[in-house]
Amino acid sequence: GDSVTQTEGQVTVSESKSLIINCTYSATSIGYPNLFWYVRYPGEGLQLLLKVITAGQKGSSRGFEATYNKEATSFHLQKASVQESDSAVYYCALSGSSGSWQLIFGSGTQLTVMP
Amino acid sequence: NAGVIQTPRHKVTGKGQEATLWCEPISGHSAVFWYRQTIVQGLEFLTYFRNQAPIDDSGMPKERFSAQMPNQSHSTLKIQSTQPQDSAVYLCASSLDWGGGSYEQYFGPGTRLTVL
Repeated sequence: GDSVTQTEGQVTVSESKSLIINCTYSATSIGYPNLFWYVRYPGEGLQLLLKVITAGQKGSSRGFEATYNKEATSFHLQKASVQESDSAVYYCALSGSSGSWQLIFGSGTQLTVMP
Repeated sequence: NAGVIQTPRHKVTGKGQEATLWCEPISGHSAVFWYRQTIVQGLEFLTYFRNQAPIDDSGMPKERFSAQMPNQSHSTLKIQSTQPQDSAVYLCASSLDWGGGSYEQYFGPGTRLTVL
């Protein structure tokens, strides 16, 4: 079946430093899945950060960006300069493979930004 | 817009009791999804509806779990004879009903189920 892999369970970065959270996926369908990053800030619910539904395109939001790389089957999340308010849990997810609409999530990455 | 509403926010049951979880999707959204989150398994898909019709329940445990959507304004997830391993946060999400899954899913705050 489809799957999403996030290799880092926890990441700690100093404020104003750059960030990359790795995400790779495996999709069994012939077509290309939709790719998402969701985020859960402390005390809040899960919410969409950004999405890309076309291979080769880049999505961006709140200073974060991710590029849909179909050759590498990757969708890494990057930010040039993190802020303390970015501390949260980030989930990579896919949908639409094999005609299914449900989200398949990675295991999540807890980002802590140190002041 | 109140967002996706889930009730109760917390539920404690004894082993063997029944638990019913409620979800009210965002008005105008006709795709409704249920997920479960545990520390061990992470976020897992359970089932979803489109226009109140069950579409995919491939993530639902075959025994004791059932979901319904009797009208467009609410869905329920019922767990019969609850077991300690059912303890989890159950999340409901809704989205627009087209786009092949490309539309954003809006998540509720979740129901934390604890089975003693």
